Amino acid sequence: GAGVSQSPSNKVTEKGKDVELRCDPISGHTALYWYRQRLGQGLEFLIYFQGNSAPDKSGLPSDRFSAERTGESVSTLTIQRTQQEDSAVYLCASSYGGSSYEQYFGPGTRLTVT
Amino acid sequence: GENVEQHPSTLSVQEGDSAVIKCTYSDSASNYFPWYKQELGKRPQLIIDIRSNVGEKKDQRIAVTLNKTAKHFSLHITETQPEDSAVYFCAARPSNYQLIWGAGTKLIIKP
Repeated sequence: GAGVSQSPSNKVTEKGKDVELRCDPISGHTALYWYRQRLGQGLEFLIYFQGNSAPDKSGLPSDRFSAERTGESVSTLTIQRTQQEDSAVYLCASSYGGSSYEQYFGPGTRLTVT
Repeated sequence: GENVEQHPSTLSVQEGDSAVIKCTYSDSASNYFPWYKQELGKRPQLIIDIRSNVGEKKDQRIAVTLNKTAKHFSLHITETQPEDSAVYFCAARPSNYQLIWGAGTKLIIKP
């Protein structure tokens, strides 16, 4: 079946502009995660959605970052007033249940802020 | 809160030799420990995981061991091959919380 998809695959934006990144999880997966991965670095947790529970936003680095998810489907990550340090690959993952289940990652969105 | 430390940051081994990557965690309530492999330019993928009621798990050339008393777990790869070259991430899951990730180990297999 279809895996996790993300769009766009690449995004170049000017400093100060807003960007919206999209994630389509695997159908039936109740959990959805957003991560940031800077070049050559590890996975930085941003936000976690689990079913209808309140999202865990503890990883969002500033109030310029926000994310939404409609039910158990699509999620969007929005970065307002982008800064150069926001340049990274943004990875989305989904899992069948909570965080003790395998996470399936999408291909990522490479964001470059000029 | 939970903290996961991963060592070494880079590991270079001769093809055919074994590789061991170690992680330590701080929260004794952590109960799930996955390992993910990320090849260059690709997405991370789960290669093996272990739960706290098990001490060791094997899958062909890959094994993971868990020492709950010492709060550390390790990834063992035997008979390494060029396709094992990648970055490996460990993670730990504190009870009722999301995964806490290690910083990653870059494994280089020398021909």
